[in-house]
Amino acid sequence: EIVLTQSPGTLSLSPGERATLSCRASEPVSSSYLAWYQQKPGQAPRLLIYGASTRATGIPDRFSGSGSGTDFILTIRRLDPEDFAVYHCQQYATSPWTFGQGTKVEIK
Amino acid sequence: QLQLQESGPGLVKPSETLSLTCTVSSGSISISNYYWGWIRQPPGKGLEWIGSIYYSGDTYYTPSLKSRVTISVDTSNNQFSLKLSSVTAADTAVYYCARCLRSYYDSSGSEKPRCGFDPWGQGTLVTVSS
Repeated sequence: EIVLTQSPGTLSLSPGERATLSCRASEPVSSSYLAWYQQKPGQAPRLLIYGASTRATGIPDRFSGSGSGTDFILTIRRLDPEDFAVYHCQQYATSPWTFGQGTKVEIK
Repeated sequence: QLQLQESGPGLVKPSETLSLTCTVSSGSISISNYYWGWIRQPPGKGLEWIGSIYYSGDTYYTPSLKSRVTISVDTSNNQFSLKLSSVTAADTAVYYCARCLRSYYDSSGSEKPRCGFDPWGQGTLVTVSS
């Protein structure tokens, strides 16, 4: 199965700063079938990005995804207070579909 | 907009079977090109895909749980269900149901799932304890 490793584990930033989250796959993710989710405490994950770079419906344009092959990036251009949360990447190219362990973006 | 809601017991005894149902509203579970899935998250840990099902009953399971998992569909009630047998404390988790993003056709013309997930149900905590 494809193992996804997210880094860093925790990112401490201030509102207004730029966040860069990494997701590395143990083998290439074909056709960039890579998704990013945001999860706040006590809530279900919410789809942010699919196909590595396409924003889901209603997602602000401060969120952007990039990458291909084994290396993918989620960028949050200017952190809003509501963006402090845990972010998960997931590949859906090859079954079993797998998730990274998550990156927590916390207020510095 | 499409909504999913999990239901079932919040407490299951070790060695027994965990049973959950996901009810789909504001949309049909029988729609073509969409599979439906179960995902779980142990407390403080990451997400794990359990399995997915099509309205026809076609199922896919993660290998590590395949021997204990059964997912079924009830199109008349717009629901799909999860059964996980012989549970232990390691199965304690929040269980989510969700819709898969898309499907594709393989070289033989068979439809297969492509499971990114959206939307998700709110999740239900299941604790395995005596």
